[in-house]
Amino acid sequence: EDQVTQSPEALRLQEGESSSLNCSYTVSGLRGLFWYRQDPGKGPEFLFTLYSAGEEKEKERLKATLTKKESFLHITAPKPEDSATYLCAVQAREAAGNKLTFGGGTRVLVKP
Amino acid sequence: NAGVMQNPRHLVRRRGQEARLRCSPMKGHSHVYWYRQLPEEGLKFMVYLQKENIIDESGMPKERFSAEFPKEGPSILRIQQVVRGDSAAYFCASSPPDYGYTFGSGTRLTVV
Repeated sequence: EDQVTQSPEALRLQEGESSSLNCSYTVSGLRGLFWYRQDPGKGPEFLFTLYSAGEEKEKERLKATLTKKESFLHITAPKPEDSATYLCAVQAREAAGNKLTFGGGTRVLVKP
Repeated sequence: NAGVMQNPRHLVRRRGQEARLRCSPMKGHSHVYWYRQLPEEGLKFMVYLQKENIIDESGMPKERFSAEFPKEGPSILRIQQVVRGDSAAYFCASSPPDYGYTFGSGTRLTVV
């Protein structure tokens, strides 16, 4: 069974204080690893897809990296508007369609 | 191009009533997915549908839950004889074949 574990569960940062979120996964053949951002009362918003170990993607203050067993989401010099829950999900190669298995998320709070 | 539209945004049902959640996918998207997010838990896959076909319902509870995506109209997730444990946020997502998907804003079901 595919499993995704995210840590820490919650993270409090001062504005400008860089940090990293971890996503550990086990999957029988990875098709893709996804990062989403979710604001309170809203649906997940797509950030990145990573397909193979060594791949990196960046968007503004966010950078996602992938190894064979985990992914990191680095937040550089965060701002209060980066406060959200960040979700990691994996898609197995044999999954019917695009079924995703999600981790529990990391709640990030950036204080000014 | 409107995003994935879910309605209602909030739904209150008494125990034993039926809940009907609707999802209109993005234009051009032929794949629809339903996920459930229980309080303080991650998103859990429920069902994957294409027009007039259920492709994967491995995450659907065996009783009381059903889903459809008719040739015309929105996808419907139906929960019969709701119980307090059904209280959750239900998210719909849509995608074109073999591509990442877009989530709606969700329906928050409260069973009283």
